[in-house]
Amino acid sequence: EDKVVQSPLSLVVHEGDTVTLNCSYEVTNFRSLLWYKQEKKAPTFLFMLTSSGIEKKSGRLSSILDKKELFSILNITATQTGDSAVYLCAVADSGNTPLVFGKGTRLSVIA
Amino acid sequence: DVKVTQSSRYLVKRTGEKVFLECVQDMDHENMFWYRQDPGLGLRLIYFSYDVKMKEKGDIPEGYSVSREKKERFSLILESASTNQTSMYLCASSLNLYGYTFGSGTRLTVV
Repeated sequence: EDKVVQSPLSLVVHEGDTVTLNCSYEVTNFRSLLWYKQEKKAPTFLFMLTSSGIEKKSGRLSSILDKKELFSILNITATQTGDSAVYLCAVADSGNTPLVFGKGTRLSVIA
Repeated sequence: DVKVTQSSRYLVKRTGEKVFLECVQDMDHENMFWYRQDPGLGLRLIYFSYDVKMKEKGDIPEGYSVSREKKERFSLILESASTNQTSMYLCASSLNLYGYTFGSGTRLTVV
C-alpha cells in the first residue's frame, strides 16, 4: 500500500526563522511528488518534483527530492505570519491511481 | 481563472438526512475526486471518477455514494448522514492524474 508520512505534524516558529518540513514516501512506481499549501480554504499548488537533486524554488520557498532515500523537504526561509498554513505532501505513482496525501504539517508563524 | 466550485461553504444537517454535496469544474477535466479532511487524519479519498458515468471507490467509501451525470459535475451523496460524517469535504479535479485543482471545501456538521 502506498504511504506518505510527513513530519513534524505541527510546528510553531517565530517570524524570520527558517523551517524545514519533511515528507517520506513508499510508492510502488513513483512518478512525482507534490507540495500544496492550505490556508483556510482550498489547497493550492506549490511544487511538483520528479527528479532527484533538482531544487525547485519560488521566492522564500524551495523544495528538493531524494529518490534514493525516498523523501522530500520543503524549506521556508525568513518566515512570515502569512506562511501559517497546513502544508500537504502528495505522491503520484505511474499507474492509474489518485494522489496519496500525507497528513500534513501545520505551521504556525508568530510575530 | 480556472475553478472548482463547491456549492456550499458550510452545512448543518440532522442525523438520518440525505445530504448532497455538489462540485462543479469549468476546466473540462476528465478526473474528479472527493476527499474528506479531519484533524490528525489528513485527506482521505472517498470516491473518484475518470469519466462521465464512471466512479471508483476510494479508501473510505462506506456511507457515501457519488453521481457523475455530466463531465463538469461530481456529486457526493450521504445516504443517511451520521455524526461521524461531520468533516471538511474537498472536491478536486485534474486533467492528468497529479495536477489537482481543489474547491474551497464544504464544512459539514451533522447534529
